[in-house]
Amino acid sequence: DIQMTQSPSSLSASIGDRVTITCRASQRISDYLNWYQQKPGKAPRLLIFAASSLQSGVPSRFSGSGFGTDFTLTISSLQPEDFATYYCQQSYGIPRTFGQGTKVDIK
Amino acid sequence: EVQLLESGGGLVQPGGSLRLSCAASGFSFTNNAMSWVRQAPGKGLQWVSSISGSGVNTFYADSVKGRFMISRDTSKNMVYLQMNSLRVEDTAVYFCAKVPQVRGDPFEYWGQGILVTVSS
Repeated sequence: DIQMTQSPSSLSASIGDRVTITCRASQRISDYLNWYQQKPGKAPRLLIFAASSLQSGVPSRFSGSGFGTDFTLTISSLQPEDFATYYCQQSYGIPRTFGQGTKVDIK
Repeated sequence: EVQLLESGGGLVQPGGSLRLSCAASGFSFTNNAMSWVRQAPGKGLQWVSSISGSGVNTFYADSVKGRFMISRDTSKNMVYLQMNSLRVEDTAVYFCAKVPQVRGDPFEYWGQGILVTVSS
């Protein structure tokens, strides 16, 4: 199985901050990497697919980059509605696997 | 508007069975694979199973292989997850998700989730 490791597991940030979350795959996965946002009691929401493609309707302050084993999700200017947990997920192999999540809360 | 609505969850004893349903609308059903993803209380996301748009190909996590079966009915735009020999560790919120034919095979849209509790 392909293991996905996110860092950090949690972070505290202020409105307007630039936030970066990293995700590392245990083997090369090309650009088969997706990012999701989840708020408490809600279903996850797709933010980025294929490492860097912005899902329709997602604000442009979200961006993704990376290829191979190392990937990054960046929020350019954190907004109040961005406080949530973020997950990366690989779709290169079966089983599909997720990172453990990164919780972003208010500093 | 894409809508995915899960049903069929509830409380079941260990060793019991349950069938989850997912009603899909607002998109071309046969052009999309469908998946089930679960989340145990307070934990992260875990992929459970996927089925191709044609229904020919199915995939399972090792933890449910041989116990769960995914299927789809294109005449009703429905996806099902038959869960047998349920274990306490299967307790989770189960989400149905749409997987479009785009690079990355993302879980594009998700249902609101349905709780399955396995307990005696």
